[in-house]
Amino acid sequence: DIVMTQSPDSLPVSLGERATINCKSSQSVLYSSSNKNYLAWYQQKPGQPPKLLLYWASTRESGVPDRFSGSGSGTDFTLTISSLQAEDVAVYYCQQYYSTPHTFGQGTKLEIK
Amino acid sequence: QVQLQESGPGLVKPSETLSLTCTVSGGSIISYYWSWIRQPPGKGLEWIGHIFDSGSTNYNPSLKSRVTISVDTSKNQFSLKLSSVTATDTAIYYCARRYSSSYPFDNWGQGTLVTVSS
Repeated sequence: DIVMTQSPDSLPVSLGERATINCKSSQSVLYSSSNKNYLAWYQQKPGQPPKLLLYWASTRESGVPDRFSGSGSGTDFTLTISSLQAEDVAVYYCQQYYSTPHTFGQGTKLEIK
Repeated sequence: QVQLQESGPGLVKPSETLSLTCTVSGGSIISYYWSWIRQPPGKGLEWIGHIFDSGSTNYNPSLKSRVTISVDTSKNQFSLKLSSVTATDTAIYYCARRYSSSYPFDNWGQGTLVTVSS
């Protein structure tokens, strides 16, 4: 199984400031034939299912604000929120869909400082 | 807009079989991957398995001996059976869609809490 490890577990950030969450996979999730990283980011608010934010590591899902961006390749990835808004308070998960079993990071709880 | 809705018993006794159904509305079940994912209260996400409309399946090895996922294209539904449950199977169970094998879970149901208790 590919193990996904996120850091930090909890992240306090002031409104309007930048938030950065890291995700590391135990093996590469770069699909060589397409040169795409099979890495997604989700946002989960209390009582709701996860919502897809980014796929292929850096492509925003339709309707996702452009303050959310993703970067990285191979085994190391980053989710950045450029200017934290109150509605961004949530738990964020990375997930690899390169191979089965599809696996998720343990989650990072983003909160207001 | 495709919507997914889980249904089934919210309480299952230990050693019995958990059975859930996901109904897909607003779109066809054909030509997509349909997954079950669970989340113990206050914890992270675990992929259980998926089925393609042809009926081909892929299960998480950690659960494979106890899991069956099936599809009924005529009803636009797919189902989960998890046998010999214990308290550790208590979780919110989500059904979710993947557009293709090169795409993640883009559409989720609201989830249903299943508690395993006598």
